[in-house]
Amino acid sequence: NAGVTQTPKFQVLKTGQSMTLQCAQDMNHEYMSWYRQDPGMGLRLIHYSVGAGITDQGEVPNGYNVSRSTTEDFPLRLLSAAPSQTSVYFCASSAGGSYQPQHFGDGTRLSIL
Amino acid sequence: RKEVEQDPGPFNVPEGATVAFNCTYSNSASQSFFWYRQDCRKEPKLLMSVYSSGNEDGRFTAQLNRASQYISLLIRDSKLSDSATYLCVVTPGDQGGKLIFGQGTELSVKP
Repeated sequence: NAGVTQTPKFQVLKTGQSMTLQCAQDMNHEYMSWYRQDPGMGLRLIHYSVGAGITDQGEVPNGYNVSRSTTEDFPLRLLSAAPSQTSVYFCASSAGGSYQPQHFGDGTRLSIL
Repeated sequence: RKEVEQDPGPFNVPEGATVAFNCTYSNSASQSFFWYRQDCRKEPKLLMSVYSSGNEDGRFTAQLNRASQYISLLIRDSKLSDSATYLCVVTPGDQGGKLIFGQGTELSVKP
């Protein structure tokens, strides 16, 4: 009964380092998304995917890269970490189509020093 | 202007009170509408979908006015456990995987 699994849960990076946030789902969902949440703000869409091999940019894509080689996995890469990328990152998946609920992972709390 | 805007919070209410949250969206082509609940920066969880005819789930009632591009959530007989941040969420067009979130309204229910 895993649902959406995000790793790591916490991470501290130095400015300029790169890293990959992992997201995996076991519900065979077509749609997967990455959001970031900053204090006092709602979630903002970074990148999303409507199926394996298909990705598109969201509201705040700069500084992030994604790929979707399988239905299950949707990793988010920070190319060169900046303090402005300090945030809580949520991965979500859904079956697609209107009114399908999104299932969220527990989040990754990322600090860039 | 933000695509989805909510009442600024926080709302502080006593147990048993009725509280209403309002939300407006700017994209008239938006297709589906939701209220999510988020506790203490944990992951958001779907509270209820919002349909054109309005819908109710126990103490919670959601309304949608497409002409005014307005969504509301009414909580009756509020409980301590209702304390959370309520997020208004909209899907632009027929893109079920893409959600646009409002900034959220914090609710604190006091004994």
